[in-house]
Amino acid sequence: DAGITQSPRHKVTETGTPVTLRCHQTENHRYMYWYRQDPGHGLRLIHYSYGVKDTDKGEVSDGYSVSRSKTEDFLLTLESATSSQTSVYFCAISESEGAGGYTFGSGTRLTVV
Amino acid sequence: GENVEQHPSTLSVQEGDSAVIKCTYSDSASNYFPWYKQELGKRPQLIIDIRSNVGEKKDQRIAVTLNKTAKHFSLHITETQPEDSAVYFCAARPAAGNKLTFGGGTRVLVKP
Repeated sequence: DAGITQSPRHKVTETGTPVTLRCHQTENHRYMYWYRQDPGHGLRLIHYSYGVKDTDKGEVSDGYSVSRSKTEDFLLTLESATSSQTSVYFCAISESEGAGGYTFGSGTRLTVV
Repeated sequence: GENVEQHPSTLSVQEGDSAVIKCTYSDSASNYFPWYKQELGKRPQLIIDIRSNVGEKKDQRIAVTLNKTAKHFSLHITETQPEDSAVYFCAARPAAGNKLTFGGGTRVLVKP
């Protein structure tokens, strides 16, 4: 397959609870990204990582945090989920700076009720 | 930062006709422009890309053109087929860094 998996695939959670989404890759790529996809907004970058323990914010980072303790895993945490964070979350990987496009995971559909 | 605008948001074409999707970008330093296709319920997948040192690139029925002066690029799909129905995203990446900025997407429907 694509060498990138996301878990869980679907999750329903209550407002105010913490939620962690996992992205796991077997490609040994340096760069990993978290995007959210909402109708009319395309794909918007939440956070990204350019190496173990090296992360930075994207354009819609408020309410989210990330961690990358191993090359293969990139975790996205919603500290206190809100209804506005209901979305489809995609993880992506790329090999190096200047390399081609991303490879995306299959996505996690998160519903906050 | 980079801003990418994509038009139209929806496009309906008759099978066999051509489809054209246009994107504009704001950062003149952007030098890499990929296009992704996302079928319903699936992940976005790269279908074609172009770098700023090239004006046009073709792959079978799809082609991408780039006008650096005007800061716009377009996706052309010829002889459309029902399996071309999907959402298409354009994106741009500046020379410094590795982050893609995506357009809002175009939903293409090919009517048989």
